[in-house]
Amino acid sequence: AQTVTQSQPEMSVQEAETVTLSCTYDTSESNYYLFWYKQPPSRQMILVIRQEAYKQQNATENRFSVNFQKAAKSFSLKISDSQLGDTAMYFCAFMKQTDDKIIFGKGTRLHILP
Amino acid sequence: DAGVIQSPRHEVTEMGQEVTLRCKPISGHNSLFWYRQTMMRGLELLIYFNNNVPIDDSGMPEDRFSAKMPNASFSTLKIQPSEPRDSAVYFCASSLGLPRDEQFFGPGTRLTVL
Repeated sequence: AQTVTQSQPEMSVQEAETVTLSCTYDTSESNYYLFWYKQPPSRQMILVIRQEAYKQQNATENRFSVNFQKAAKSFSLKISDSQLGDTAMYFCAFMKQTDDKIIFGKGTRLHILP
Repeated sequence: DAGVIQSPRHEVTEMGQEVTLRCKPISGHNSLFWYRQTMMRGLELLIYFNNNVPIDDSGMPEDRFSAKMPNASFSTLKIQPSEPRDSAVYFCASSLGLPRDEQFFGPGTRLTVL
């Protein structure tokens, strides 16, 4: 069975700083997808970024980028120039290539301080 | 597009009562997912449908839970009888159903069972 582990339950950083959220996963699959979802206080789940395991290049979306280390089964999220609106719960998630089920980590609560 | 619509947004009920949560997926989406979010267990997939057919219900906690999708634009998750441990936020999500397509989440229903 696949598992997703987020070792940082909570983090705080100052506005404009860069922050990295950690995620590791366990799977015997060779092809899969990884995601970072954001859940702000409004409770809405929003997809932040997505990585296909077969791609060596790390995905980026504006201020958000990932460091995907397939051999180490690590998938960290970097937020550059953090903004107050980035305050949210962030979930790392895994999906097999042959499935539609998403396995979520327990989340990291991120506070951006003014 | 209105996005995934869930109702009610909040539900407070007493133990033993029947609870029905409703979801309208994004028009044109073929896959629908029901998730439960709690502090202890995080975000868990309960069941998902593809073209109105249940594909995987292995996450449904017990026989008190049932889900239906009578047509492409409507799904229900029913709990009968409800128990205090069912208190959680229940999310519905939908996707195009293409391989590994993005899931779009509704705003969730916060259920409190007294």
